[in-house]
Amino acid sequence: EAQVTQNPRYLITVTGKKLTVTCSQNMNHEYMSWYRQDPGLGLRQIYYSMNVEVTDKGDVPEGYKVSRKEKRNFPLILESPSPNQTSLYFCASSLSGLGDYEQYFGPGTRLTVT
Amino acid sequence: GIQVEQSPPDLILQEGANSTLRCNFSDSVNNLQWFHQNPWGQLINLFYIPSGTKQNGRLSATTVATERYSLLYISSSQTTDSGVYFCAVVSTSGTYKYIFGTGTRLKVLA
Repeated sequence: EAQVTQNPRYLITVTGKKLTVTCSQNMNHEYMSWYRQDPGLGLRQIYYSMNVEVTDKGDVPEGYKVSRKEKRNFPLILESPSPNQTSLYFCASSLSGLGDYEQYFGPGTRLTVT
Repeated sequence: GIQVEQSPPDLILQEGANSTLRCNFSDSVNNLQWFHQNPWGQLINLFYIPSGTKQNGRLSATTVATERYSLLYISSSQTTDSGVYFCAVVSTSGTYKYIFGTGTRLKVLA
Protein backbone atom coordinates (compact mmCIF):
# COMPACT_ATOMS: atom_id res chain seq x y z
CA GLU A 1 0.00 0.00 0.00
CA ALA A 2 1.33 3.42 -1.01
CA GLN A 3 1.72 5.48 2.11
CA VAL A 4 3.63 7.92 4.28
CA THR A 5 4.43 6.61 7.74
CA GLN A 6 5.49 8.51 10.84
CA ASN A 7 6.79 7.33 14.17
CA PRO A 8 6.04 7.74 16.94
CA ARG A 9 2.38 8.71 16.66
CA TYR A 10 2.29 10.12 20.18
CA LEU A 11 5.17 11.38 22.28
CA ILE A 12 5.42 13.12 25.64
CA THR A 13 8.87 14.36 26.53
CA VAL A 14 10.64 16.89 28.71
CA THR A 15 12.35 20.15 27.82
CA GLY A 16 15.83 19.70 26.42
CA LYS A 17 15.73 15.98 25.69
CA LYS A 18 16.70 15.42 22.05
CA LEU A 19 14.18 13.53 19.95
CA THR A 20 13.69 12.37 16.39
CA VAL A 21 10.42 11.83 14.56
CA THR A 22 10.86 9.50 11.63
CA CYS A 23 9.09 9.80 8.29
CA SER A 24 9.19 7.29 5.46
CA GLN A 25 7.40 7.01 2.13
CA ASN A 26 7.22 4.05 -0.26
CA MET A 27 6.09 5.92 -3.38
CA ASN A 28 9.54 6.87 -4.73
CA HIS A 29 8.65 10.52 -4.25
CA GLU A 30 11.28 13.19 -4.75
CA TYR A 31 9.72 15.84 -2.52
CA MET A 32 9.18 15.53 1.23
CA SER A 33 8.12 18.07 3.79
CA TRP A 34 7.32 18.63 7.46
CA TYR A 35 4.46 20.72 8.86
CA ARG A 36 3.22 21.62 12.28
CA GLN A 37 -0.40 22.32 13.09
CA ASP A 38 -1.42 24.57 15.95
CA PRO A 39 -4.86 25.82 16.99
CA GLY A 40 -5.61 29.16 15.38
CA LEU A 41 -2.45 29.06 13.27
CA GLY A 42 -3.30 26.28 10.83
CA LEU A 43 -0.63 24.17 9.12
CA ARG A 44 2.76 25.73 8.65
CA GLN A 45 5.71 24.32 6.78
CA ILE A 46 8.86 23.64 8.83
CA TYR A 47 11.32 22.23 6.28
CA TYR A 48 11.12 20.68 2.87
CA SER A 49 13.37 18.63 0.63
CA MET A 50 13.22 18.79 -3.16
CA ASN A 51 15.31 15.62 -3.47
CA VAL A 52 18.09 13.66 -1.75
CA GLU A 53 20.66 15.87 -0.04
CA VAL A 54 18.66 19.04 -0.83
CA THR A 55 16.70 20.63 2.00
CA ASP A 56 15.41 24.12 2.64
CA LYS A 57 13.66 26.09 5.33
CA GLY A 58 9.93 26.56 5.37
CA ASP A 59 8.12 29.22 7.34
CA VAL A 60 8.89 28.04 10.89
CA PRO A 61 12.29 26.24 10.89
CA GLU A 62 13.63 27.55 14.22
CA GLY A 63 14.40 24.77 16.69
CA TYR A 64 14.27 21.97 14.09
CA LYS A 65 16.74 20.08 11.95
CA VAL A 66 16.21 17.67 9.08
CA SER A 67 18.31 15.42 6.89
CA ARG A 68 17.61 13.63 3.61
CA LYS A 69 20.22 10.96 3.10
CA GLU A 70 17.89 8.53 1.34
CA LYS A 71 14.98 9.23 -0.95
CA ARG A 72 12.43 7.43 1.23
CA ASN A 73 13.31 8.90 4.65
CA PHE A 74 13.08 12.43 6.02
CA PRO A 75 13.51 12.55 9.82
CA LEU A 76 12.66 15.63 11.88
CA ILE A 77 15.09 16.32 14.72
CA LEU A 78 14.44 18.46 17.78
CA GLU A 79 17.85 18.95 19.39
CA SER A 80 16.53 20.69 22.52
CA PRO A 81 12.73 20.63 22.57
CA SER A 82 10.84 23.39 24.31
CA PRO A 83 7.18 23.64 25.36
CA ASN A 84 6.39 25.93 22.41
CA GLN A 85 7.14 22.96 20.13
CA THR A 86 4.15 21.11 21.52
CA SER A 87 2.12 20.54 18.39
CA LEU A 88 0.70 18.10 15.86
CA TYR A 89 3.33 17.28 13.24
CA PHE A 90 2.75 15.99 9.75
CA CYS A 91 5.15 14.62 7.20
CA ALA A 92 4.17 14.74 3.53
CA SER A 93 5.55 13.68 0.18
CA SER A 94 4.95 14.38 -3.47
CA LEU A 95 6.30 13.09 -6.77
CA SER A 96 7.80 16.51 -7.46
CA GLY A 97 8.37 19.65 -5.46
CA LEU A 98 7.54 21.92 -8.36
CA GLY A 99 3.96 22.13 -7.16
CA ASP A 100 2.48 20.19 -10.04
CA TYR A 101 1.65 16.96 -8.20
CA GLU A 102 -0.53 16.25 -5.22
CA GLN A 103 0.90 15.90 -1.78
CA TYR A 104 0.23 12.91 0.48
CA PHE A 105 0.29 13.19 4.26
CA GLY A 106 1.32 10.85 7.02
CA PRO A 107 -0.99 10.13 9.97
CA GLY A 108 0.55 12.78 12.22
CA THR A 109 2.65 12.80 15.39
CA ARG A 110 1.21 14.45 18.48
CA LEU A 111 4.11 15.85 20.52
CA THR A 112 3.88 17.25 24.02
CA VAL A 113 6.92 18.91 25.60
CA THR A 114 6.66 19.55 29.35
CA GLY B 1 3.59 35.96 -0.01
CA ILE B 2 0.40 34.39 -1.23
CA GLN B 3 -2.64 34.64 1.04
CA VAL B 4 -5.23 31.87 1.24
CA GLU B 5 -8.61 32.52 2.82
CA GLN B 6 -11.41 30.07 3.37
CA SER B 7 -15.06 30.71 4.07
CA PRO B 8 -17.13 30.17 6.02
CA PRO B 9 -14.93 29.47 9.04
CA ASP B 10 -17.63 27.37 10.68
CA LEU B 11 -20.63 25.54 9.29
CA ILE B 12 -23.32 23.45 10.95
CA LEU B 13 -25.60 21.34 8.75
CA GLN B 14 -28.40 18.90 9.21
CA GLU B 15 -27.71 15.49 7.70
CA GLY B 16 -28.78 15.44 4.07
CA ALA B 17 -28.15 19.13 3.42
CA ASN B 18 -25.83 20.49 0.74
CA SER B 19 -23.00 22.97 1.25
CA THR B 20 -20.41 25.01 -0.61
CA LEU B 21 -16.99 25.83 0.83
CA ARG B 22 -14.84 28.52 -0.71
CA CYS B 23 -11.08 29.05 -1.02
CA ASN B 24 -9.72 32.39 -2.25
CA PHE B 25 -6.06 32.94 -3.05
CA SER B 26 -4.20 36.14 -3.76
CA ASP B 27 -1.75 35.01 -6.46
CA SER B 28 -1.65 32.64 -9.40
CA VAL B 29 -1.09 28.98 -8.47
CA ASN B 30 -0.02 25.78 -10.17
CA ASN B 31 -1.28 23.48 -7.46
CA LEU B 32 -4.44 23.46 -5.39
CA GLN B 33 -5.58 20.63 -3.17
CA TRP B 34 -8.55 20.10 -0.90
CA PHE B 35 -8.17 18.04 2.26
CA HIS B 36 -10.49 16.75 4.94
CA GLN B 37 -9.10 16.50 8.45
CA ASN B 38 -11.19 13.99 10.32
CA PRO B 39 -11.89 14.13 14.06
CA TRP B 40 -8.86 11.85 14.66
CA GLY B 41 -6.59 14.42 13.05
CA GLN B 42 -5.79 12.58 9.82
CA LEU B 43 -5.52 14.60 6.61
CA ILE B 44 -7.37 12.93 3.78
CA ASN B 45 -6.77 13.97 0.16
CA LEU B 46 -10.01 14.96 -1.52
CA PHE B 47 -9.00 16.66 -4.76
CA TYR B 48 -5.94 17.81 -6.65
CA ILE B 49 -7.50 20.57 -8.74
CA PRO B 50 -5.33 23.47 -9.97
CA SER B 51 -8.05 24.20 -12.53
CA GLY B 52 -11.31 22.81 -13.83
CA THR B 53 -13.93 20.62 -12.20
CA LYS B 54 -13.77 17.17 -10.63
CA GLN B 55 -16.28 14.94 -8.94
CA ASN B 56 -15.91 12.06 -6.52
CA GLY B 57 -19.18 10.64 -5.27
CA ARG B 58 -21.04 13.26 -3.22
CA LEU B 59 -18.11 15.66 -3.40
CA SER B 60 -17.12 17.88 -6.26
CA ALA B 61 -14.71 20.77 -6.69
CA THR B 62 -14.21 23.59 -9.11
CA THR B 63 -11.20 25.87 -9.45
CA VAL B 64 -11.34 29.06 -11.51
CA ALA B 65 -7.65 29.88 -11.59
CA THR B 66 -8.06 33.13 -13.52
CA GLU B 67 -10.36 34.47 -10.81
CA ARG B 68 -8.31 32.96 -7.98
CA TYR B 69 -10.84 30.85 -6.17
CA SER B 70 -11.89 27.26 -5.68
CA LEU B 71 -15.16 25.77 -4.45
CA LEU B 72 -15.81 22.46 -2.73
CA TYR B 73 -19.36 21.14 -2.91
CA ILE B 74 -20.70 18.58 -0.49
CA SER B 75 -24.07 17.12 -1.35
CA SER B 76 -26.35 15.02 0.86
CA SER B 77 -24.04 15.53 3.81
CA GLN B 78 -23.46 12.74 6.32
CA THR B 79 -22.20 12.82 9.90
CA THR B 80 -18.93 11.30 8.68
CA ASP B 81 -18.33 14.48 6.67
CA SER B 82 -17.72 16.35 9.93
CA GLY B 83 -14.24 17.75 10.47
CA VAL B 84 -12.14 20.54 9.04
CA TYR B 85 -11.70 21.17 5.34
CA PHE B 86 -8.50 22.79 4.12
CA CYS B 87 -7.39 24.05 0.78
CA ALA B 88 -3.66 24.31 0.07
CA VAL B 89 -1.89 26.03 -2.81
CA VAL B 90 1.55 26.41 -4.35
CA SER B 91 2.20 29.81 -5.83
CA THR B 92 3.77 30.16 -9.29
CA SER B 93 6.27 32.57 -7.76
CA GLY B 94 8.75 29.69 -7.56
CA THR B 95 9.17 29.23 -3.81
CA TYR B 96 7.69 25.67 -3.94
CA LYS B 97 6.04 26.24 -0.58
CA TYR B 98 2.62 24.83 0.15
CA ILE B 99 0.40 27.38 1.86
CA PHE B 100 -2.68 26.19 3.69
CA GLY B 101 -5.87 28.09 4.19
CA THR B 102 -7.31 28.58 7.66
CA GLY B 103 -9.92 25.88 7.17
CA THR B 104 -13.69 25.46 7.38
CA ARG B 105 -14.93 23.53 10.39
CA LEU B 106 -17.98 21.49 9.41
CA LYS B 107 -20.33 19.76 11.81
CA VAL B 108 -23.11 17.58 10.42
CA LEU B 109 -25.92 16.79 12.81
CA ALA B 110 -27.88 13.52 12.69
